[in-house]
Amino acid sequence: DAGVIQSPRHEVTEMGQEVTLRCKPISGHNSLFWYRQTMMRGLELLIYFNNNVPIDDSGMPEDRFSAKMPNASFSTLKIQPSEPRDSAVYFCASRAGSANTEAFFGQGTRLTVV
Amino acid sequence: AQSVTQLGSHVSVSEGALVLLRCNYSSSVPPYLFWYVQYPNQGLQLLLKYTTGATLVKGINGFEAEFKKSETSFHLTKPSAHMSDAAEYFCAVSDNSNYQLIWGAGTKLIIKP
Repeated sequence: DAGVIQSPRHEVTEMGQEVTLRCKPISGHNSLFWYRQTMMRGLELLIYFNNNVPIDDSGMPEDRFSAKMPNASFSTLKIQPSEPRDSAVYFCASRAGSANTEAFFGQGTRLTVV
Repeated sequence: AQSVTQLGSHVSVSEGALVLLRCNYSSSVPPYLFWYVQYPNQGLQLLLKYTTGATLVKGINGFEAEFKKSETSFHLTKPSAHMSDAAEYFCAVSDNSNYQLIWGAGTKLIIKP
């Protein structure tokens, strides 16, 4: 398996534009996580899906952020409109769904909003 | 509620010295414990994990960790640090009451030549 695949790896956009980050989890994994990492706040869980259903989105900072998982092999995180404070590295991770299994992380998308 | 505390946001050791990164957790049920490493500009990757059985677990790159229930700890050690160990290390906990991973704040390991 190629692991968790995220695209794009880097994204530079202007304030106010819509940004869509994409994630392909490992085949067979039924849990998917979106995280945001910044120097100031560290690693933050944004949203967690189990079997394509959002279970906990309490970490989504505001209504500008939305996430979908239309099927078991694809998820998106959308920011509309984007703001400079959204600049961060966004990670997607997937897990086999049991509490004793590890999460596998993608390489991340480095987002810069100017 | 679960929580993870990593003591020290930065730890500095000399090359060849013992590495000790501390992790304490709280969990009301038996925990599953994980250590991850993040190299610059990369995602997190698993170093080792404890689920059940032997409390001393060995991971990649010569690291090991010991689960001590009485101390609610899962400290990470390596006998001799290498320059290539410079990275950020994260401890995480999970249990059967909550399938999410609860993360510590991370510890940056600095290796002095």
